[in-house]
Amino acid sequence: DAGVTQSPTHLIKTRGQQVTLRCSPKSGHDTVSWYQQALGQGPQFIFQYYEEEERQRGNFPDRFSGHQFPNYSSELNVNALLLGDSALYLCASSPSVGLNYGYTFGSGTRLTVV
Amino acid sequence: AQRVTQPEKLLSVFKGAPVELKCNYSYSGSPELFWYVQYSRQRLQLLLRHISRESIKGFTADLNKGETSFHLKKPFAQEEDSAMYYCALSWGSASKIIFGSGTRLSIRP
Repeated sequence: DAGVTQSPTHLIKTRGQQVTLRCSPKSGHDTVSWYQQALGQGPQFIFQYYEEEERQRGNFPDRFSGHQFPNYSSELNVNALLLGDSALYLCASSPSVGLNYGYTFGSGTRLTVV
Repeated sequence: AQRVTQPEKLLSVFKGAPVELKCNYSYSGSPELFWYVQYSRQRLQLLLRHISRESIKGFTADLNKGETSFHLKKPFAQEEDSAMYYCALSWGSASKIIFGSGTRLSIRP
């Protein structure tokens, strides 16, 4: 089992552009959460997807949107990129039952906005 | 609002010394608490969760609801314990997990 896989690993975009990040959850997991981790900070919750719908959302603007597909994989889209969006974006998956088990994380996508 | 506070950005101890990484949380109900660890060049991984009352790699953490704390402890530090440690909180049916800002643990030989 490859665990949680994210692509791409690194990305450089220009301010104002749009970006799409992808995540495949661990086998057997149907819930995907996305986090933003700025340098020197802890992961900040963006949103969570379950049954192809956004179930929870953190304090992020509408420029951040997502999608979950029938195979449970997910995308994070960020529009109108700002310099401050430069960060490591982490995807985490979990089963919908037994939430106490915590999340399994991917290695992340390093986004640099120039 | 729910919050996790890790007051120490960096903790440096000698090999063989006891370790305690502090974590305090803000939530009035029954929380679910976790410790995650990130070793150099590795992904974030779950170290332990309070409901399991387990000991992983010699680490333990006890939930103190009175002090709203979930400190991580190990009696004898080892060099391989050097890593970034994050305390995390989940609650109710929310299921989302929020993280503290992390503590970098450095074990000196």
